[in-house]
Amino acid sequence: AQSVTQLGSHVSVSEGALVLLRCNYSSSVPPYLFWYVQYPNQGLQLLLKYTSAATLVKGINGFEAEFKKSETSFHLTKPSAHMSDAAEYFCAVRQTGANNLFFGTGTRLTVIP
Amino acid sequence: DADVTQTPRNRITKTGKRIMLECSQTKGHDRMYWYRQDPGLGLRLIYYSFDVKDINKGEISDGYSVSRQAQAKFSLSLESAIPNQTALYFCATREGSGRTDTQYFGPGTRLTVL
Repeated sequence: AQSVTQLGSHVSVSEGALVLLRCNYSSSVPPYLFWYVQYPNQGLQLLLKYTSAATLVKGINGFEAEFKKSETSFHLTKPSAHMSDAAEYFCAVRQTGANNLFFGTGTRLTVIP
Repeated sequence: DADVTQTPRNRITKTGKRIMLECSQTKGHDRMYWYRQDPGLGLRLIYYSFDVKDINKGEISDGYSVSRQAQAKFSLSLESAIPNQTALYFCATREGSGRTDTQYFGPGTRLTVL
């Protein structure tokens, strides 16, 4: 069965510092991987997605993620945090041929001024 | 105007009441989904629909039912609400099959069952 694990339910960084949000998947075959962001009182919106093309994926708002098959990871990074990045971030996986997304439990990012 | 809308945005109800949450979309997508979000649990799929005649259970469908009235409308019902159905509910649409699918989410409905 496919699943996704997000390490750290809460992450705090200083403004201008590196953002690193971790996501590991369990699958015998590399799946399709997604990062979604949820701002307060809003629905989720797609940040970026991996679909077996380039392993380094660039998304909106300066975020990027690298697919590492050997580590079964898809960690999300941003070189310099901005106050507006404060939100909850969800990693999600969809197996090849499957219909649905499976979401991680989310990581809430706090940016400290 | 938002592409995916949900009504109501907030609802407080009592145990045993029937509740309907509605979702409408203007994106023209065939696929629609209902999720619930609970703190610390992420999003879990309740039901999904690939078209008006194709409705499927998700991982937590017990206690819920759905209706796909048209391509643009997908309603979620709680026949007899119970307190552990208190959650944030999201509707989503999907732009198509294939590797590059993306789901688009509505703003959510916060449901409280007393």
